[in-house]
Amino acid sequence: QKEVEQDPGPLSVPEGAIVSLNCTYSNSAFQYFMWYRQYSRKGPELLMYTYSSGNKEDGRFTAQVDKSSKYISLFIRDSQPSDSATYLCAMSARDTNAGKSTFGDGTTLTVKP
Amino acid sequence: GAVVSQHPSRVICKSGTSVKIECRSLDFQATTMFWYRQFPKQSLMLMATSNEGSKATYEQGVEKDKFLINHASLTLSTLTVTSAHPEDSSFYICSARGSGQPLHFGNGTRLTVT
Repeated sequence: QKEVEQDPGPLSVPEGAIVSLNCTYSNSAFQYFMWYRQYSRKGPELLMYTYSSGNKEDGRFTAQVDKSSKYISLFIRDSQPSDSATYLCAMSARDTNAGKSTFGDGTTLTVKP
Repeated sequence: GAVVSQHPSRVICKSGTSVKIECRSLDFQATTMFWYRQFPKQSLMLMATSNEGSKATYEQGVEKDKFLINHASLTLSTLTVTSAHPEDSSFYICSARGSGQPLHFGNGTRLTVT
């Protein structure tokens, strides 16, 4: 079983929809949680970075962490065609050797105009 | 925000030649850099972890003599694919991490070996 499981997708939504992207994990040592957006043929771009449980909002994006359930989510409000990309969740433990992050396999999102 | 520059973005080489890819952290000191390989429509596969001034730590199944990693300074790491073959064709991505910071990624290098 993988340490991080991400909803596989692909996900297709109409413009303006609310999008929910989700990951579950098994390692209770994870304390740092990240969401990256990757456009085709580009490197991943950091979207959200959170520590421990709670919510963090940045514009149309909200990251949610529930450590008790080992579940994290990224919500995108008023989705736009430019949000079409692959979204990767990632997480790391405080004392992980060299700070390695563990990634989900990614969810590909298409927002249709 | 933190910027990681990766160069070249695209390279085509002949089978048997070596290719060097550079990864630079532009506005922070990267204590650790990571190298990944990514196949189409798949997630990142970590190849190796590179700490400044020490030998890289390779993931299981990655040939260290084929993928040479050098992290000579706090802002530069290089990956050299030696004696490249067509099966080495892939998208290679680096990431860098400063103290107390999340990972930031380069824009990747698409390697095609003919």
